[in-house]
Amino acid sequence: KQEVTQIPAALSVPEGENLVLNCSFTDSAIYNLQWFRQDPGKGLTSLLLIQSSQREQTSGRLNASLDKSSGRSTLYIAASQPGDSATYLCAVEGGSYIPTFGRGTSLIVHP
Amino acid sequence: EAQVTQNPRYLITVTGKKLTVTCSQNMNHEYMSWYRQDPGLGLRQIYYSMNVEVTDKGDVPEGYKVSRKEKRNFPLILESPSPNQTSLYFCASRMLAGPSEQYFGPGTRLTVT
Repeated sequence: KQEVTQIPAALSVPEGENLVLNCSFTDSAIYNLQWFRQDPGKGLTSLLLIQSSQREQTSGRLNASLDKSSGRSTLYIAASQPGDSATYLCAVEGGSYIPTFGRGTSLIVHP
Repeated sequence: EAQVTQNPRYLITVTGKKLTVTCSQNMNHEYMSWYRQDPGLGLRQIYYSMNVEVTDKGDVPEGYKVSRKEKRNFPLILESPSPNQTSLYFCASRMLAGPSEQYFGPGTRLTVT
């Protein structure tokens, strides 16, 4: 059964730092991997989707990489801002249409 | 505006009283699903649907029912709610063809006493 782990569970940094959030998964036979952002009491907002054939995706200050063979993905946030404070979740999907989510990294960026 | 809507957003009910949480999407997505989110357990899928009249169990389907009579709607039904179904529920949708982003609703916070 697929297991997804996110490290660290929580992170607090000063504004302006570059950040790396990690997501690891146990079964490399994935169809895609998606990173989400969740604000307190809100739904999930999709940030980046990486197909299994891709190595990375970029959107603005965000860059996500995927290494299927090692079962890892990283989300890189450049020049962090207080507005980036949220919980970041990764989800992997295999062929079953049932995605497996990690428990998230709670990020606080303080001014 | 492309969106997934859920109603109600908050609900407090008593054990055994049937309830329905509605979900609707305006993106003509084939795939819709329900999740529950619990502290320490993360997001877990309850049921999913790949099209009208096609539904299947996710990881935690016990105590829930769904229906998909129309493409845009995917209600979640709790026939006899119990306190262990107290949770934050999310509906999501996406295109079925190819890898595609999931769009989530705003969530429904359910408390069963």
